[in-house]
Amino acid sequence: DTGVSQDPRHKITKRGQNVTFRCDPISEHNRLYWYRQTLGQGPEFLTYFQNEAQLEKSRLLSDRFSAERPKGSFSTLEIQRTEQGDSAMYLCASSLGPNQPQHFGDGTRLSIL
Amino acid sequence: GEDVEQSLFLSVREGDSSVINCTYTDSSSTYLYWYKQEPGAGLQLLTYIFSNMDMKQDQRLTVLLNKKDKHLSLRIADTQTGDSAIYFCADGGSTLGRLYFGRGTQLTVWP
Repeated sequence: DTGVSQDPRHKITKRGQNVTFRCDPISEHNRLYWYRQTLGQGPEFLTYFQNEAQLEKSRLLSDRFSAERPKGSFSTLEIQRTEQGDSAMYLCASSLGPNQPQHFGDGTRLSIL
Repeated sequence: GEDVEQSLFLSVREGDSSVINCTYTDSSSTYLYWYKQEPGAGLQLLTYIFSNMDMKQDQRLTVLLNKKDKHLSLRIADTQTGDSAIYFCADGGSTLGRLYFGRGTQLTVWP
């Protein structure tokens, strides 16, 4: 049984560039979540999907951020025109359904030069 | 929004018990969770408790929930150096979606 998989593990980019991260949830998990974690803080919710439908977005998710889950399996998170403040660990989690435990991947660490 | 508070640091000697405390504000929370994070890694689910329970035990882990005081604790028996990590309390709230996390408690275990 493979866990939640995230790619890449690390991304270094220059300010102003676009970046895209991928998350593959645990098989048969129909809920998929994105969180962001900065140094010394707990994860903060960004958005989540039930199958392919995006059900909730945090105010943290500015218009430079977009997330998709086109076929209800893997998901992508894109950040356009990256800024210094986007430097963080981006975590993906999945669950079987509502009020089921969320299982996290190892995250993608984004560094903006 | 919901607020989750944890003390930031805890140091214990190997073999002792560790108790990590957490308070939350949402009185309608359904599930509360404990996660462990090691350096450079994601979050590992340790255990969780449903809001109508007072206690849950899972091997070396004991979770106590005082719903009246909105207080959650995680006790680790016979703490080992491999238990050194950051422990996060998370509140599932009432929305059936997002989790609300505390800032995490850095547990250091001395040999």
